[in-house]
Amino acid sequence: DQQVKQNSPSLSVQEGRISILNCDYTNSMFDYFLWYKKYPAEGPTFLISISSIKDKNEDGRFTVFLNKSAKHLSLHIVPSQPGDSAVYFCAASAIRSSGSARQLTFGSGTQLTVLP
Amino acid sequence: DAGVIQSPRHEVTEMGQEVTLRCKPISGHDYLFWYRQTMMRGLELLIYFNNNVPIDDSGMPEDRFSAKMPNASFSTLKIQPSEPRDSAVYFCASRQGTEKLFFGSGTQLSVL
Repeated sequence: DQQVKQNSPSLSVQEGRISILNCDYTNSMFDYFLWYKKYPAEGPTFLISISSIKDKNEDGRFTVFLNKSAKHLSLHIVPSQPGDSAVYFCAASAIRSSGSARQLTFGSGTQLTVLP
Repeated sequence: DAGVIQSPRHEVTEMGQEVTLRCKPISGHDYLFWYRQTMMRGLELLIYFNNNVPIDDSGMPEDRFSAKMPNASFSTLKIQPSEPRDSAVYFCASRQGTEKLFFGSGTQLSVL
């Protein structure tokens, strides 16, 4: 059972327009969320994160929105650029009652293609 | 820093053969993670270590999979015997004290 879901395997956007990538989660214990970006033949790299005490975090062209009641987060990229074409993974983590380290649970990824 | 280093970058082997994937984490990082990426399931956590000790291996799919971390700068993931369904990209990642994971470039494994 996937606790973090990215229901859109792919998304195409015109250069200069907004890209919106969505992510849903089922575990109400998740309290920290991240987005990773992955180019072909490379490992994922950290992009942006948000704590559950916030509903928005912005870093340049990238903004992450968190809707806790809907268990939904989204990544907005404005304006989109061809270099943003990559696979984007949503990830979430929770404090563990056992005291063991937080682990990241990843979604299946969304392939974003920004068309010139 | 060179980042997380994985080898080999590509591995092609025949069913039944033993496969060993290697990882050198970033110096000073005390957590090391092994992930597997497939089209259907995305990035799955297989096992992670803290200070060289395996903490959670519940993601390891079968007894054919094993992982070791003999010291702070080296870890291996072994599959014996390998099967075609093991074909995937295997990532190693490390971190120290935060949620921010640093990933290696991965090993593309193809089991024929």
